[in-house]
Amino acid sequence: TQLLEQSPQFLSIQEGENLTVYCNSSSVFSSLQWYRQEPGEGPVLLVTVVTGGEVKKLKRLTFQFGDARKDSSLHITAAQPGDTGLYLCAGVKGSQGNLIFGKGTKLSVKP
Amino acid sequence: DAGITQSPRHKVTETGTPVTLRCHQTENHRYMYWYRQDPGHGLRLIHYSYGVKDTDKGEVSDGYSVSRSKTEDFLLTLESATSSQTSVYFCAIKPRGEAGNTIYFGEGSWLTVV
Repeated sequence: TQLLEQSPQFLSIQEGENLTVYCNSSSVFSSLQWYRQEPGEGPVLLVTVVTGGEVKKLKRLTFQFGDARKDSSLHITAAQPGDTGLYLCAGVKGSQGNLIFGKGTKLSVKP
Repeated sequence: DAGITQSPRHKVTETGTPVTLRCHQTENHRYMYWYRQDPGHGLRLIHYSYGVKDTDKGEVSDGYSVSRSKTEDFLLTLESATSSQTSVYFCAIKPRGEAGNTIYFGEGSWLTVV
């Protein structure tokens, strides 16, 4: 059973469109992270959300942590080809505070 | 830049041979991690370390061992490589004081076992 479910798995859109990616769980997390990964590279941290209901903005990217801290969303406004990549959400599991990851959403933005 | 260097970046090896991947960090972080990334499975934790000579197993530790004899180096060893261990391996560190147990990744080591 995947603790963090991401949807959709794949998304192909045209430049200028808006999109939302979801990260859902039946478990409560103390925090959630979003990473972006480009082919041949390691994941790069975009944001960490720690408070239920929290909204963080990073230029055209808006991240929201659910009130119950079981889910999160990433909204991209006016997507650009440079947004193409694999978007991963991650949350803390266990007493050692290790991160577990969703399987990711692969986004392709076509010019 | 998380100050992490992984080596080798790419390796092809034969089934049954031992392989060691190295993760080197320059900023004295206490926590270090090894993940593997595979299509359909995402990133999964293999082993982690919370200090020199202090290591523990993650979700997919079978077939792997680790060592940390000094703060800056965390080694991942495949004692006898199998084709199922063909994967991309990422080292990560957790800086002290970061919100939410955030970790930062290296650039990856691509391992092919033939």
